Amino acid sequence: DTGVSQNPRHKITKRGQNVTFRCDPISEHNRLYWYRQTLGQGPEFLTYFQNEAQLEKSRLLSDRFSAERPKGSFSTLEIQRTEQGDSAMYLCASSFGGTGGLNTEAFFGQGTRLTVV
Amino acid sequence: GENVEQHPSTLSVQEGDSAVIKCTYSDSASNYFPWYKQELGKRPQLIIDIRSNVGEKKDQRIAVTLNKTAKHFSLHITETQPEDSAVYFCAASIDRPGTYKYIFGTGTRLKVLA
Repeated sequence: DTGVSQNPRHKITKRGQNVTFRCDPISEHNRLYWYRQTLGQGPEFLTYFQNEAQLEKSRLLSDRFSAERPKGSFSTLEIQRTEQGDSAMYLCASSFGGTGGLNTEAFFGQGTRLTVV
Repeated sequence: GENVEQHPSTLSVQEGDSAVIKCTYSDSASNYFPWYKQELGKRPQLIIDIRSNVGEKKDQRIAVTLNKTAKHFSLHITETQPEDSAVYFCAASIDRPGTYKYIFGTGTRLKVLA
């Protein structure tokens, strides 16, 4: 499968625990995005990487959230001290930034469904 | 601010009829507008997209129109079929140095009644 891969697919954790999700983008894609989606809503932007550089982070994102893309390939999203409100589907997407930086189709992973109990 | 509004939130049509979903964006730096279809339990998948230098694009039964002046874009599905039933999201991609993120609408649940 050469698409965007996310692991794990499901995660149940107790409130206060830390969790980490992984995203493997399409190999030639230089841009990687994390989104959060709750039931009945559209994907909400969390953060964006251009290669290994984290260029933007949502102002709505708590300091408990951190993301890395150390070698410009896979990325991890960590949530510390999870809260029930963190329960959601976490989607990763990747795209290729073409000539002049124009954006192209973003391909999504299957997502990681987080349940905080 | 950066915002995409999408209407309606739900839409029911009879099989064979047309469906139209409308979106409005706020950031004038947006120049790429994809539409995604998300079936239950699956990832969003691109169905059609349009760039700001084009007013309309068509792919078989699906078309997208863009009014850059009014900051409106719409998805048109003709001859709807039951397999078109899904949630549809519009998005606007902001093209500004250091920011190439996609802002998504809240989605439209389309039901095609057989």
